Amino acid sequence: DAKTTQPNSMESNEEEPVHLPCNHSTISGTDYIHWYRQLPSQGPEYVIHGLTSNVNNRMASLAIAEDRKSSTLILHRATLRDAAVYYCIPPSGGGADGLTFGKGTHLIIQP
Amino acid sequence: EPEVTQTPSHQVTQMGQEVILRCVPISNHLYFYWYRQILGQKVEFLVSFYNNEISEKSEIFDDQFSVERPDGSNFTLKIRSTKLEDSAMYFCASNAFDGLAKNIQYFGAGTRLSVL
Repeated sequence: DAKTTQPNSMESNEEEPVHLPCNHSTISGTDYIHWYRQLPSQGPEYVIHGLTSNVNNRMASLAIAEDRKSSTLILHRATLRDAAVYYCIPPSGGGADGLTFGKGTHLIIQP
Repeated sequence: EPEVTQTPSHQVTQMGQEVILRCVPISNHLYFYWYRQILGQKVEFLVSFYNNEISEKSEIFDDQFSVERPDGSNFTLKIRSTKLEDSAMYFCASNAFDGLAKNIQYFGAGTRLSVL
């Protein structure tokens, strides 16, 4: 099974960009990379996902390395509301598969 | 925006009692899930449900647990005889699963279960 590796925690200042890395060297060519986050006292929340090329949505951008062994979640201007645990999720098979949450990266935003 | 709703937000029960946690998934979704998160620990998958039957379940989901979709909107998790170690946040999720490119799970805010 593919696994992901993330730093335990990162700290950034408000209104600065944040780059959250994830290593997933064992994923296969057809595996999507998903990111979720969990705000304090809330359920996990989908952030973004991608396959090969870089992806953007209203929450974040996802930069995927050319060899697909790593990816970086980019928050362009972090706010205090972005303080959360960010999870890079190993690929699941189909809709029946549960998501495997690791410890994620605890993002601390300083005002 | 459609959302997954869970009730109650907090459930307190005595050890050995049965509890039912309730969820209303997003209406056009096909797959439903339960997860739990013990305080300070990782979110753990319990079970997935599709087409009115369990699709996958983890080792945690033993005979004390059951799931049901009693009508077209609700999805429930029953714990038959609660133990102290069942105290946790329980999250429901749903997924439209329109192919791997759209394999996204949407989570509810959770039910905090406290077993005394």
